[in-house]
Amino acid sequence: GNSVTQMEGPVTLSEEAFLTINCTYTATGYPSLFWYVQYPGEGLQLLLKATKADDKGSNKGFEATYRKETTSFHLEKGSVQVSDSAVYFCALSTMGGTSYGKLTFGQGTILTVHP
Amino acid sequence: DTEVTQTPKHLVMGMTNKKSLKCEQHMGHRAMYWYKQKAKKPPELMFVYSYEKLSINESVPSRFSPECPNSSLLNLHLHALQPEDSALYLCASSQDRDRTYEQYFGPGTRLTVT
Repeated sequence: GNSVTQMEGPVTLSEEAFLTINCTYTATGYPSLFWYVQYPGEGLQLLLKATKADDKGSNKGFEATYRKETTSFHLEKGSVQVSDSAVYFCALSTMGGTSYGKLTFGQGTILTVHP
Repeated sequence: DTEVTQTPKHLVMGMTNKKSLKCEQHMGHRAMYWYKQKAKKPPELMFVYSYEKLSINESVPSRFSPECPNSSLLNLHLHALQPEDSALYLCASSQDRDRTYEQYFGPGTRLTVT
């Protein structure tokens, strides 16, 4: 079956620090990979995605590269802001079988950024 | 426009009540989803509609009844819920169920069962 493992949080950083949130996966078939962000009291927002190996997704200063050889999709940002404080979810989707079109989420990583 | 709307934003209901949650999208998406999210946990898939037909039911109790009246609307009918059903209920849509298409989420309905 499919599974996603994220680094355990919470993660606490000072403003302008470098952020890495690790994400590794196992998948039956060829997955698409996603990062979603959830701000307090809100639904999930798509942050970025990659659909094939070596693709780099990027948005709002966040980046992640689809690494098939290490089955990873780590999220990075060079300089975080207080407004980046949120919960970040790594997720994957595969074709075929009972997983078709279903998102499999990691457990989420809480990020808190202090001024 | 990449917006999915959900109503109501908050709902408090007793265990004998019947209520409905509503979700709407106008992006022309043909797949729509219901998720349940408990605090500090990832969303759990409940139902998937594809081209207005129920495609996936993740063994959800019958006190939750989904309905897709047309390609833009998705309802979740609630009846005889239990306190443990209190959660954030999220609706999402995607172009279709292909793995390459991202899902767009609504803001959710915060449900409290008393």
